[in-house]
Amino acid sequence: GAVVSQHPSRVICKSGTSVKIECRSLDFQATTMFWYRQFPKQSLMLMATSNEGSKATYEQGVEKDKFLINHASLTLSTLTVTSAHPEDSSFYICSARRHDAPYSPLHFGNGTRLTVT
Amino acid sequence: AQTVTQSQPEMSVQEAETVTLSCTYDTSESDYYLFWYKQPPSRQMILVIRQEAYKQQNATENRFSVNFQKAAKSFSLKISDSQLGDAAMYFCAYRRFTGNQFYFGTGTSLTVIP
Repeated sequence: GAVVSQHPSRVICKSGTSVKIECRSLDFQATTMFWYRQFPKQSLMLMATSNEGSKATYEQGVEKDKFLINHASLTLSTLTVTSAHPEDSSFYICSARRHDAPYSPLHFGNGTRLTVT
Repeated sequence: AQTVTQSQPEMSVQEAETVTLSCTYDTSESDYYLFWYKQPPSRQMILVIRQEAYKQQNATENRFSVNFQKAAKSFSLKISDSQLGDAAMYFCAYRRFTGNQFYFGTGTSLTVIP
């Protein structure tokens, strides 16, 4: 089955620093990837849609200057949390769908637990 | 925007018994896809089952089956012969026929009692 790899799985950073999270589709091409944020015991909140070769589409209320998304190839999207603050601590999950298969479900990475101290 | 509602924040079931998780959704479209995802404590999202709206037959995957009622906009998940490994958060999700965005429900936390 389709595999999505997300790295790192855990990261601890100091307030004010930036953190980059990578999301790779390992065995399929993904023109679109999605970045979600999940708080404990809550649902997935879509942050942005990453589009290969073009600008990401951000959901309302998500600061695009804080959460920088780059989708430079058909298999890689990155999310950079800039000038991180403790309130950015959360679980971030990326996902992708095979663009050549209309019926394809979302395939998820294992998530990244970000802790900002 | 489409909304997906899971009215049961928590459910519990005895091991080997059957449990049904409910999901309703709101849409004006006739063609779409529905999914159930499982998120165990590891937090990895795992696809459980999927249904195409234009198919009347309910999807089945081993011990997992759905009751898809299109007119009622209902998509419940039945887990038969529940196992300890079924304990997880379960999310119902909707995707438009065309387009990429998925809409998730708020989740149901399932506990399996030995």
